[in-house]
Amino acid sequence: SQTIHQWPATLVQPVGSPLSLECTVEGTSNPNLYWYRQAAGRGLQLLFYSVGIGQISSEVPQNLSASRPQDRQFILSSKKLLLSDSGFYLCAWRIQGNGELFFGEGSRLTVL
Amino acid sequence: AQSVTQPDIHITVSEGASLELRCNYSYGATPYLFWYVQSPGQGLQLLLKYFSGDTLVQGIKGFEAEFKRSQSSFNLRKPSVHWSDAAEYFCAVEGTYKYIFGTGTRLKVLA
Repeated sequence: SQTIHQWPATLVQPVGSPLSLECTVEGTSNPNLYWYRQAAGRGLQLLFYSVGIGQISSEVPQNLSASRPQDRQFILSSKKLLLSDSGFYLCAWRIQGNGELFFGEGSRLTVL
Repeated sequence: AQSVTQPDIHITVSEGASLELRCNYSYGATPYLFWYVQSPGQGLQLLLKYFSGDTLVQGIKGFEAEFKRSQSSFNLRKPSVHWSDAAEYFCAVEGTYKYIFGTGTRLKVLA
């Protein structure tokens, strides 16, 4: 069966520090991968999605970036965090084509 | 542009009462529609989905939803709410590669 792992679960970082959140999927090949951010009262904001290795689509211009170095690995990064980057970050995947998204457990980022 | 509207930010119901959560979407073609549930601090779990066919779809935990094309709606229902249903509920529509989520409805259940 397929599983998705996301880490770290909780992160407290100072403003201006770098960020790396990692997500891996097991039990499937060539998934579509997604990063969402959830802020209180604002639902889920799509940040990035990827349909293949090295293919990244950005939805929102900001100081975050994403990479997909391997088929089932998706990384969210920042060189310098802002206060506004605080939030709950969710990684998700689906099979190629269409269908439901499967979500990881999320990473809570607090920028101080 | 694709969009999803969940007009109710908060809903409070008593345990055992019926529930309906509203969802309206905007999408140019036949939509693929979803309802997800999120417990505090957790990821999202799929409750049910609509792709085609029967407009009344059954999901997990006793939930159902009805797709009404004429009203651009996909409302979630449950005949009798349990205290464990307290959570946040998200409606979503699938576009090309993208999923657009509503802002969510937070459900509170009174004992």
